[in-house]
Amino acid sequence: DAGITQSPRYKITETGRQVTLMCHQTWSHSYMFWYRQDLGHGLRLIYYSAAADITDKGEVPDGYVVSRSKTENFPLTLESATRSQTSVYFCASSDRGYSNQPQHFGDGTRLSIL
Amino acid sequence: DAKTTQPPSMDCAEGRAANLPCNHSTISGNEYVYWYRQIHSQGPQYIIHGLKNNETNEMASLIITEDRKSSTLILPHATLRDTAVYYCIVTPTGGGNKLTFGTGTQLKVEL
Repeated sequence: DAGITQSPRYKITETGRQVTLMCHQTWSHSYMFWYRQDLGHGLRLIYYSAAADITDKGEVPDGYVVSRSKTENFPLTLESATRSQTSVYFCASSDRGYSNQPQHFGDGTRLSIL
Repeated sequence: DAKTTQPPSMDCAEGRAANLPCNHSTISGNEYVYWYRQIHSQGPQYIIHGLKNNETNEMASLIITEDRKSSTLILPHATLRDTAVYYCIVTPTGGGNKLTFGTGTQLKVEL
């Protein structure tokens, strides 16, 4: 089915471990985004990508790494996980990135770091 | 970026219209108003967006004041499934249409 999928849906890991969250979209959208959502906060942008091999920082990029070798995939890596990165992570995509194109979100990955 | 102000919570009776207000007094002429909602534990869902004119789709209507300093999202016949957090967002042009989420309005639809 067409859409945007995130994996895994749930992940528990330990501090210091590397973990990668996957995001895949089938619309061939140019733009892709990673957000995190914590209790008491709205969603905050971590990184975004305008196209393959083009990425840029959002509001809270520290501790995260992204790559985009293919248009349809936008993995997010926590190179050395910390407890403060326990959160719900949402991936989104939009077409062309013009202001009249809405973003479409995945169902999220719930990440717990012990 | 223009900021938005929304009431933290609202209640609505099922079957009635839900009118969710949003203030965005510093909006620029080329910024769009977007509405998303987030049902518990799910990813945000796009509802509607507009620039100057009122807009309607199968989910909702968006009324933007003439001076564009505020808007209202209208769910014409609210159901229990419309219980969610509703976010009003103003987007700058360019830069990938990045969204800045506030804390939104928690709408509770009751019998």
